Amino acid sequence: GAVVSQHPSRVICKSGTSVKIECRSLDFQATTMFWYRQFPKQSLMLMATSNEGSKATYEQGVEKDKFLINHASLTLSTLTVTSAHPEDSSFYICSANDGTGNTGELFFGEGSRLTVL
Amino acid sequence: LAKTTQPISMDSYEGQEVNITCSHNNIATNDYITWYQQFPSQGPRFIIQGYKTKVTNEVASLFIPADRKSSTLSLPRVSLSDTAVYYCLVGDNNAGKSTFGDGTTLTVKP
Repeated sequence: GAVVSQHPSRVICKSGTSVKIECRSLDFQATTMFWYRQFPKQSLMLMATSNEGSKATYEQGVEKDKFLINHASLTLSTLTVTSAHPEDSSFYICSANDGTGNTGELFFGEGSRLTVL
Repeated sequence: LAKTTQPISMDSYEGQEVNITCSHNNIATNDYITWYQQFPSQGPRFIIQGYKTKVTNEVASLFIPADRKSSTLSLPRVSLSDTAVYYCLVGDNNAGKSTFGDGTTLTVKP
């Protein structure tokens, strides 16, 4: 199946700094990618839909100025957590649809664990 | 978005068949039903997808009744490595809006 890769898999940063997480579709083009966050023992929460060449669509309650999303190419979307604080510590996951099959299955990245000190 | 309801947890033993049922009463005509598996600190992995009746692949079967208001993921002869969280998603992935429910934590015991 299609492969989605995230980088970094783990990142530790100081409070107040910004952190960028990359999501790449390795063997297919993805006009749309999705970003989620997951707290321990909880389900995935959709944060935003990343659209290639246009602005991301954010879910209700997600601050667009805090979680900057850029989808500059058909294989790369980035999520930047700006001025990170300890409450932003979470597991961030991206996914993409390769457009095949009935509705296209979602392919997920390995996830990126952010720890803000 | 169709809301899904699954049991929070299930226990099983190695070699047994496990059936996890998901309720999705307000499923829309265009919605597909997709099941994912997630291990700790990993992204979810696709298991199976279906629209109606029965779908089978090399790892699981998916049973969907005619009214499509529920679905059952069947895992034959589970092993310890099948211990994971299983999510049922309902939606049109091409439209992007599939919502994760709480998932079912399956624990397989020796």
